[in-house]
Amino acid sequence: NAGVTQTPKFRVLKTGQSMTLLCAQDMNHEYMYWYRQDPGMGLRLIHYSVGEGTTAKGEVPDGYNVSRLKKQNFLLGLESAAPSQTSVYFCASSSTGLTQPQHFGDGTRLSIL
Amino acid sequence: RKEVEQDPGPFNVPEGATVAFNCTYSNSASQSFFWYRQDCRKEPKLLMSVYSSGNEDGRFTAQLNRASQYISLLIRDSKLSDSATYLCGQAGNMLTFGGGTRLMVKP
Repeated sequence: NAGVTQTPKFRVLKTGQSMTLLCAQDMNHEYMYWYRQDPGMGLRLIHYSVGEGTTAKGEVPDGYNVSRLKKQNFLLGLESAAPSQTSVYFCASSSTGLTQPQHFGDGTRLSIL
Repeated sequence: RKEVEQDPGPFNVPEGATVAFNCTYSNSASQSFFWYRQDCRKEPKLLMSVYSSGNEDGRFTAQLNRASQYISLLIRDSKLSDSATYLCGQAGNMLTFGGGTRLMVKP
């Protein structure tokens, strides 16, 4: 019973490197989300998707890109990593709209040196 | 001003105590609210959804006050295992979260 799976779990990057975080859900959910969580800041929405092939900006989208080529996958890309992007990243999904509870993956801890 | 605000705590309470957290929100159009529990270095997990005036699940009670724009979470008979951070979320145009309230239940 996987739910929402994130890979990788941990990663260390150098400034300027690029990488992609993968989120996969097996619940057939329409909506998927990427958040970052920093101490004292709570969860902040980066981008979200309301269905396959669609994406939208959240609260803090700058420096990130996303793609939703398949319903079950939602990718988060960092084109040129910066130390300010050091954070814990959570992916989530929900069955229908934003008023429904979200199910979270167990996070990716990303450090940028 | 943040859309959702919580007292970061920590709230230190003895086992068996009753403890309450408040969460204030600024978007009066929000229809749904949630309480999530987050253990250290783990993902948030849904504790309770609040769609109308309130909700109760065992030792946990959530209440919504639309006039004053806050929701509360009441935990009765606190257990050691209740120690965690509790995140409040409001669903308006998107789901926004407070910074969380840390609870520490002591023996």
